[in-house]
Amino acid sequence: EVQLVESGGGLVKPGGSLRLSCAASGFTFSTYSITWVRQSPGGGLEWVSSTSSTSDYIYYADSVKGRFTISRDYAKNSLYLQMNSLRAEDTAIYFCAGGDYGDYLRLDYWGQGALVTVSS
Amino acid sequence: SSELTQDPAVSVALGQTVRITCQGDSLRNYFASWYQQKPGQAPLLVMYSQDTRPSGIPDRFSGSRSGNTASLTITGTQAEDEADYYCNSRDISGNHNWVFGGGTKLTVL
Repeated sequence: EVQLVESGGGLVKPGGSLRLSCAASGFTFSTYSITWVRQSPGGGLEWVSSTSSTSDYIYYADSVKGRFTISRDYAKNSLYLQMNSLRAEDTAIYFCAGGDYGDYLRLDYWGQGALVTVSS
Repeated sequence: SSELTQDPAVSVALGQTVRITCQGDSLRNYFASWYQQKPGQAPLLVMYSQDTRPSGIPDRFSGSRSGNTASLTITGTQAEDEADYYCNSRDISGNHNWVFGGGTKLTVL
């Protein structure tokens, strides 16, 4: 069974940092591009960042560029999102998703999401 | 603001056909994907490459594109199709940035 399980969410003050983890199982992690998508409370979906299967190509939304860093540990079948200089507008559920990208995001597998709340 | 525009809400009678649209200049050059999201759940891919259904998605779902508009059509809508639907494509710049439409809440009457 394919599973993506996010962890590391929580409450953090503005300007603080948080690292989200995404543990993958049930599929060949090293052959999939992985993407982070977030959803603000009651809001729509927003693409955050994507990394290619080999980590050779990494892309960020302008809203997080310079503050967030995506990385993956192939030995642990895990993906990470290091979030620094957090702002109130970063408050959202963060989903990791496996699939591919090109004209569009083809995200076949999704985690259940991790809630990040940025508030003083 | 999203570069892909969707109607915020659409309703359809049970068993009828509904078309959910997504407009944006980038769609003239790029295909779209579509996601279904039910309350409290992660999104589910229901269409990609404009008109390709992933395994397990019923064939009552179909996709198309015309000009700057991508469409997701549900033929013979079922109660379980009630959900939010999001389109996705690259942004107009052509850079490796992707955008989602604002979402359409589908109500099945």
